[in-house]
Amino acid sequence: GEQVEQRPPHLSVREGDSAVITCTYTDPNSYYFFWYKQEPGASLQLLMKVFSSTEINEGQGFTVLLNKKDKRLSLNLTAAHPGDSAAYFCAVRRDAYKVIFGKGTHLHVLP
Amino acid sequence: EAAVTQSPRNKVAVTGGKVTLSCNQTNNHNNMYWYRQDTGHGLRLIHYSYGAGSTEKGDIPDGYKASRPSQENFSLILELATPSQTSVYFCASGATGWSQNTLYFGAGTRLSVL
Repeated sequence: GEQVEQRPPHLSVREGDSAVITCTYTDPNSYYFFWYKQEPGASLQLLMKVFSSTEINEGQGFTVLLNKKDKRLSLNLTAAHPGDSAAYFCAVRRDAYKVIFGKGTHLHVLP
Repeated sequence: EAAVTQSPRNKVAVTGGKVTLSCNQTNNHNNMYWYRQDTGHGLRLIHYSYGAGSTEKGDIPDGYKASRPSQENFSLILELATPSQTSVYFCASGATGWSQNTLYFGAGTRLSVL
């Protein structure tokens, strides 16, 4: 079945630095991709979703890049601040029902 | 905003006991999911459903049953709870379709099996 590998599992950066989290997936038929953010003790909230094509999506303070050729999805926080400290999960959808998650990255932004 | 409500929020159970986790969503989504979250494993799919009366096995269904009696409700049942089932459980709902792919999560249920 679909495998989603997320790296790194833990990441510490200084405030103002960039932080990059990457996921690779195996199934070329995967067609929808997501990033979720989970703050400590809370549930998961959608950060961004991207469709199956090579594209760059920009949000508030972050960029998501999907490279379908390499089967790689990345999240780049351009200037991290302490409020970005959280767990981040990528997720991949390849059919109408199942969504598979990466193991997560715990990001710690030091002031 | 999608609303997914889980109950209970916290549960302590004894080994061998029966545990039922409940989930209710008010957005008329077809799909509902049960995940468990453990350190080092992320979120793993236990069961899912694509409509009332349907349940499907996810990636780690052993030791769990699911029930979808209505569009709004999806339960996860541990008939004989074991300590290895100590975890945080998340319910989620989502619509089917190309443009409606987002999962909306409940607040989670922290289960401890002693």
